[in-house]
Order: sequence, then structure tokens, then C-alpha cells
Amino acid sequence: RKEVEQDPGPFNVPEGATVAFNCTYSNSASQSFFWYRQDCRKEPKLLMSVYSSGNEDGRFTAQLNRASQYISLLIRDSKLSDSATYLCVVSYSGNTPLVFGKGTRLSVIA
Amino acid sequence: NAGVTQTPKFRILKIGQSMTLQCTQDMNHNYMYWYRQDPGMGLKLIYYSVGAGITDKGEVPNGYNVSRSTTEDFPLRLELAAPSQTSVYFCASSKQGDYGYTFGSGTRLTVV
Repeated sequence: RKEVEQDPGPFNVPEGATVAFNCTYSNSASQSFFWYRQDCRKEPKLLMSVYSSGNEDGRFTAQLNRASQYISLLIRDSKLSDSATYLCVVSYSGNTPLVFGKGTRLSVIA
Repeated sequence: NAGVTQTPKFRILKIGQSMTLQCTQDMNHNYMYWYRQDPGMGLKLIYYSVGAGITDKGEVPNGYNVSRSTTEDFPLRLELAAPSQTSVYFCASSKQGDYGYTFGSGTRLTVV
């Protein structure tokens, strides 16, 4: 079983749609969770951290379910500029490097 | 703030040649990392460092070497380039191990 698994997509959605990405992780000892965004031919950039209580940043909402080892990202009112690959990222401890999923590609269509 | 700076941005190497990918950060981060990303694939960790003088292997270290003589710099050395090393290389840094990373803009390497 892969450490961090994501549906690769692509997800093709119209502008204004709501889209949800899911991610599962294999190590129950994982401590920190993030979503990164990577535009085509660019470096990954931190989108948001994910907390047990869930967190929201504008149109983006991240949820964590530790019991199911499951992380989600919800994007509301999709914009053309949201088109990118979204990477699910997990940390096992403060001293070990982050583990990146392969990413889910999103295309928002006019 | 410049953040994480990688040079060069692009490079074409012939099989068997050597080169050093440079990475420097100005955020006084202790942790630094090298990843490679093949087309359509995820990031794979090559080497990482938790501070000056300390380096550790990641998932795919073979064919690479690193050093960390200062907090700012973390160069990646390819000794005998092979076509399998054609990839995009990203350097990153973080304040602590489980903090979000800041990535450099990457080096696109082609080995022919």
C-alpha cells in the first residue's frame, strides 16, 4: 500500500462548480497534514495546513479524519485560476521529511 | 526575501558528465531537501539535511551526493550522469521538519 494515495484525476469541472479531492495515508502515526498546489511546470506551493478540527480559507476547506486516515480538500465556486495539481502531504514526525502524494489534477473549464 | 534559489534553471548533460545543482536559502531554515519529479509522477526525496554538517539519504539517493557546510547552502552533486536522471529537481527548506516547505523554482535536467 502506498504511503499517500490520491485519485490522479483529471477532474474537469465548469467554472462555479464545487469539487472535492480525497487522500488516504497509511501511517497511523502521521502528525501533520498539508495540501500543496502545483501549477504546470512550476514548484509546489503550500495551499493550507490541515487540522483535526478542519479549517477553511476562503473557498477552500480542508478536513482530516484520523480514525479513517483520510484527508479531503473542498473547493467551492471554482475559478479558472484554480486549475492546477493538488498534492496531499503528510508528515510522520517533526524530524522526518514530508511525504507527498502524486497529486490530483484539476481543470476548471469556462 | 529571495526564499529558496536554485541554479541553473535548465541544463543538458551528456552521459557520464558531472554537475552540481546549487541551492541556497536566506530564511535561516535548518531543514533542507532535494526532490526529483519525473513527468506525471510525484516528488521523490533524494537527500535531506536537518542542519549544517548533517545529511541523510531519502528514497532515491543512488547516483547523487550532497553536502551541507553552511545553513544557507545545500548543493546536489551528480557524478556520472545517466539518462535515468533526466528529471526536474526541486530544492526546499523548512523551519522545522513538519512545517510547510518553501520550494525553489526547480532545475530541469536532461541527460542525453
